[in-house]
Amino acid sequence: QVQLVQSGAEVKKPGASVKVSCKVSGYTLTELSMHWVRQAPGKGLEWMGGFDPEDGETIYAQKFQGRVTMTEDTSTDTAYMELSSLRSEDTAVYYCATPSWRGYFADYWGQGTLVTVSS
Amino acid sequence: SYGLPQPPSLSVSPGQTARITCSADALPKQYAYWYQQKPGQAPVLVIYKDSERPSGIPERFSGSSSGTTVTLTISGVQAEDEADYYCQSADSSGAWVFGGGTKLTVL
Repeated sequence: QVQLVQSGAEVKKPGASVKVSCKVSGYTLTELSMHWVRQAPGKGLEWMGGFDPEDGETIYAQKFQGRVTMTEDTSTDTAYMELSSLRSEDTAVYYCATPSWRGYFADYWGQGTLVTVSS
Repeated sequence: SYGLPQPPSLSVSPGQTARITCSADALPKQYAYWYQQKPGQAPVLVIYKDSERPSGIPERFSGSSSGTTVTLTISGVQAEDEADYYCQSADSSGAWVFGGGTKLTVL
């Protein structure tokens, strides 16, 4: 059973960066393909990027290219998502999510981290 | 990249059948997945690989596909099924794509 526990809510000013963490338990991070999905208030789900096991690389949604970085610390089984040059439209709940077997989906999700961007 | 159109809303009475469709021209090459999301909660996978149901998901949830359309069917809808439902697939590069979501209201 995979458990994903995310870091707490953040409030940031426009132009700043935010780094959200996702601690894995039940599996090791190397056994999983971590992805990040966000949801703006009252809006739908939006995929930001994640690890593609087919080519062994992290891929990012075109919308976030150059502004998002996803990293992993395998020594602590923690995944990170850093988003820079924040603007008000980045206010959202950010989720880490992963499939428990190879595939382009997620059956395990973190609890979500609310990031508020406000001056 | 491509979009996955879904109806924005659907209302059904308890005991009726709810069918939510999702269309994409790339679906024949990629599986579709369905998630249920209740307010304030993370999404829950209810259908994978077009029609498979994860353990713990009630049998009233089923999925099907036909050409470029996939359908989530909830038979005998219950009040607890009121939620937002999202379809999801992936393009040839491995990028995930979500539908816009369908708000299911149980009358």
